[in-house]
Amino acid sequence: NAGVTQTPKFQVLKTGQSMTLQCAQDMNHNSMYWYRQDPGMGLRLIYYSASEGTTDKGEVPNGYNVSRLNKREFSLRLESAAPSQTSVYFCASRTAGGPFNEQFFGPGTRLTVL
Amino acid sequence: GQQVMQIPQYQHVQEGEDFTTYCNSSTTLSNIQWYKQRPGGHPVFLIQLVKSGEVKKQKRLTFQFGEAKKNSSLHITATQTTDVGTYFCAGRRGYKLSFGAGTTVTVRA
Repeated sequence: NAGVTQTPKFQVLKTGQSMTLQCAQDMNHNSMYWYRQDPGMGLRLIYYSASEGTTDKGEVPNGYNVSRLNKREFSLRLESAAPSQTSVYFCASRTAGGPFNEQFFGPGTRLTVL
Repeated sequence: GQQVMQIPQYQHVQEGEDFTTYCNSSTTLSNIQWYKQRPGGHPVFLIQLVKSGEVKKQKRLTFQFGEAKKNSSLHITATQTTDVGTYFCAGRRGYKLSFGAGTTVTVRA
């Protein structure tokens, strides 16, 4: 049981390049989330998927797109990377029926845009 | 929208001392969760508080939810080096969590 996995762990892009961050969970969770973490700003929600087949914008969606490929996988795409998107990106998942409904986080992707 | 504020942003503690971090929301929360992130790691769930005035303990950690359900606190007694990290509170709204900016704790041995 791997929990939440993310690839890649590290990535360096040049301004204008595109890339997709991959996330998968093996806990049969319904909801999945993408956050970015910047110093002094906590975790800010980019997009989320409450259930398979649905996606919604969070606080900071501009410059990103997402795809809920199936119940396990939720990808985040940067179409044209900008230096302001340099950050640590965390994927998380959550089950609707658990006692705490806590979110389980992946190990993160550290992205630098030059 | 809902905003969750956390203070202090940094807490430098002598090993063995106590400290408290505070979380305040602009709106009433249905529940609040606390997470811990070790340096270089990812956030890990610690606890959830649901009821007004609720107090929960985990060993040296005491979590409290305010009577008005708009604030919360985490108190750590006899701080140890294993307590190093960033502590986040998060208020739930529907499917989403709104995270505070976190309190980063360093410990002087």
